[in-house]
Amino acid sequence: GESVGLHLPTLSVQEGDNSIINCAYSNSASDYFIWYKQESGKGPQFIIDIRSNMDKRQGQRVTVLLNKTVKHLSLQIAATQPGDSAVYFCAEKWNAGNMLTFGGGTRLMVKP
Amino acid sequence: EPEVTQTPSHQVTQMGQEVILRCVPISNHLYFYWYRQILGQKVEFLVSFYNNEISEKSEIFDDQFSVERPDGSNFTLKIRSTKLEDSAMYFCASSAGQTIDEQFFGPGTRLTVL
Repeated sequence: GESVGLHLPTLSVQEGDNSIINCAYSNSASDYFIWYKQESGKGPQFIIDIRSNMDKRQGQRVTVLLNKTVKHLSLQIAATQPGDSAVYFCAEKWNAGNMLTFGGGTRLMVKP
Repeated sequence: EPEVTQTPSHQVTQMGQEVILRCVPISNHLYFYWYRQILGQKVEFLVSFYNNEISEKSEIFDDQFSVERPDGSNFTLKIRSTKLEDSAMYFCASSAGQTIDEQFFGPGTRLTVL
């Protein structure tokens, strides 16, 4: 079946650097995408979302880019901080329902 | 800030026993969800619930699972006869609406089946 997946399981960056976390999706019917952050022992926390009619959306220190041509989603974190260390999941949803399909997760480690 | 709460934080049970996981969604939300995350794996959708009935469920949500909103605040997931492979983190989530409304997740219940 179609699924959401991630390219890199672990990303290690220096504090202050920018981070880019990638996600590939294969369901062309998906029209809504979300990035979640999950810290140890906690539930997923919403970071930012984007609809399929957009290719870029910015939040506070975070930017999500959507490339529908290659079915690719990325999360950019500017000036990465130690508090950004967590596992990041992309998730997708399509109009047929309200369930989220999650990718496998990327662990972001920020070195001081 | 309103949040989804879940109890207990950790549940240990014997294989074959019934468990009930409890959730209190955000008070003005109308849509409720259960997800699970087996250790080291991705989060998987189980079921969504709206207007006192299941609106969507995955193939994981078989006959041993059931959900209920017994009163105006609680949302429960029951597993009738637990199996070893049911060991996982179970997350409850809620949203004000559907489709593009943000789903807020609770902290999860860790279920360990022995």
